[in-house]
Amino acid sequence: NAGVTQTPKFQVLKTGQSMTLQCAQDMNHEYMSWYRQDPGMGLRLIHYSVGAGITDQGEVPNGYNVSRSTTEDFPLRLLSAAPSQTSVYFCASSYSGFTSDSSYNEQFFGPGTRLTVL
Amino acid sequence: AQSVTQLGSHVSVSEGALVLLRCNYSSSVPPYLFWYVQYPNQGLQLLLKYTSAATLVKGINGFEAEFKKSETSFHLTKPSAHMSDAAEYFCAVSEGYSTLTFGKGTMLLVSP
Repeated sequence: NAGVTQTPKFQVLKTGQSMTLQCAQDMNHEYMSWYRQDPGMGLRLIHYSVGAGITDQGEVPNGYNVSRSTTEDFPLRLLSAAPSQTSVYFCASSYSGFTSDSSYNEQFFGPGTRLTVL
Repeated sequence: AQSVTQLGSHVSVSEGALVLLRCNYSSSVPPYLFWYVQYPNQGLQLLLKYTSAATLVKGINGFEAEFKKSETSFHLTKPSAHMSDAAEYFCAVSEGYSTLTFGKGTMLLVSP
């Protein structure tokens, strides 16, 4: 299993450009999420999905769009990049519900995409 | 709404000393609590998790954390710090919807 993969690892954009951050998982997880990490702010939830065709907003959704057409993929779109979106972006996935040992399923994180918007 | 407070953005210890990283949470329902570690320029790795099975949770690399409901705390400890423990540590809470609310992180510095 590759786990959670993210591409690209690094990206530089100019203000106003658009792009898509890719996230894929091969663990058949129902839940997938996008977080951004900024210094001194921890990680904040952007959007999440509880299954194919179902998405919802997190704490900081403005300027980002998502869709979930398959279980495996959960791309994050920046429609018109702004310097405030300079950040490290992490994708995560997990099973829904509980495992057989009644423990809560952990979220598995991808390696991150470092985005700079000039 | 759930929230997490990590006391101290930076904690410095000497090698061999006790590590104590503080985390307090707020949750309207019994929470699930997590500690993650992030080494420089890397992703997040789960250290340990509390899921109501036991209040004292043991994790990887010799870390453990104790859930104290009365204090709404989930502090992370390690008896003896090692240079390789230098990293940023994040406490996180979930109310059961598979999304996490993170604290702002604590950078652990270990000196020889």
